[in-house]
Amino acid sequence: QVQLVQSGAEIKKPGASVKVSCRASGYTFTSYYVHWVRQAPGQGLEWMGIINPSSGSTTYAQKLQGRVTMTRDMSTSTVYMELSSLRSEDTAVYYCARLSSLAYYFEYWGQGTLVTVSS
Amino acid sequence: EIVLTQSPGTLSLSPGERATLSCRASQSVSSSYLTWYQQKPGQAPRFLIYGASSRATGIPDRFSGSGSGTDFTLTISRLEPEDFAVYYCQQYGSSPYTFGQGTKLEIK
Repeated sequence: QVQLVQSGAEIKKPGASVKVSCRASGYTFTSYYVHWVRQAPGQGLEWMGIINPSSGSTTYAQKLQGRVTMTRDMSTSTVYMELSSLRSEDTAVYYCARLSSLAYYFEYWGQGTLVTVSS
Repeated sequence: EIVLTQSPGTLSLSPGERATLSCRASQSVSSSYLTWYQQKPGQAPRFLIYGASSRATGIPDRFSGSGSGTDFTLTISRLEPEDFAVYYCQQYGSSPYTFGQGTKLEIK
């Protein structure tokens, strides 16, 4: 079965960087783009960007351009999301997600990674 | 960027009642690309309705979606206790693939 397993919670200081991983299994890694979505405490869902695991090409939300980098490791079927110059507003649960094979919706989600930015 | 505006922000109803949630887009969205998700505390979102009106496998038929263009609706015909949650619409028609801000469905 399809699984997306994320790395554990992180606590970072303002100005630092964080790198969250998402290991995929149960399907052909290079066949589906992986998205990242975040959710600040008590807030809604924010789409952050997308990576094509086959080519490594990425598209990022304009708001995060220059601070976010998504990469992949094909040998371990893992995608990474790195966010730099962290500020308190980046405190959120970060999810990786994959589209269904049938239609345009996120069918598979990672369990979420809480990133806390605090001095 | 397509902005999705959901209303109301909070909906207070009792079990057995009918819930009607709205999602309005700032630009036309193809129905194929409009999805409704349900999220409960501490959980990742779960897809309910895709293509604006198609129920995902295992989703009870009390959930239905409708709409086209810029106006979409999620209807829950008879609320069950487990339906009280936050609901989001999302469009996948054009990047960035935006979400609405959510409607919280709470028990009255």
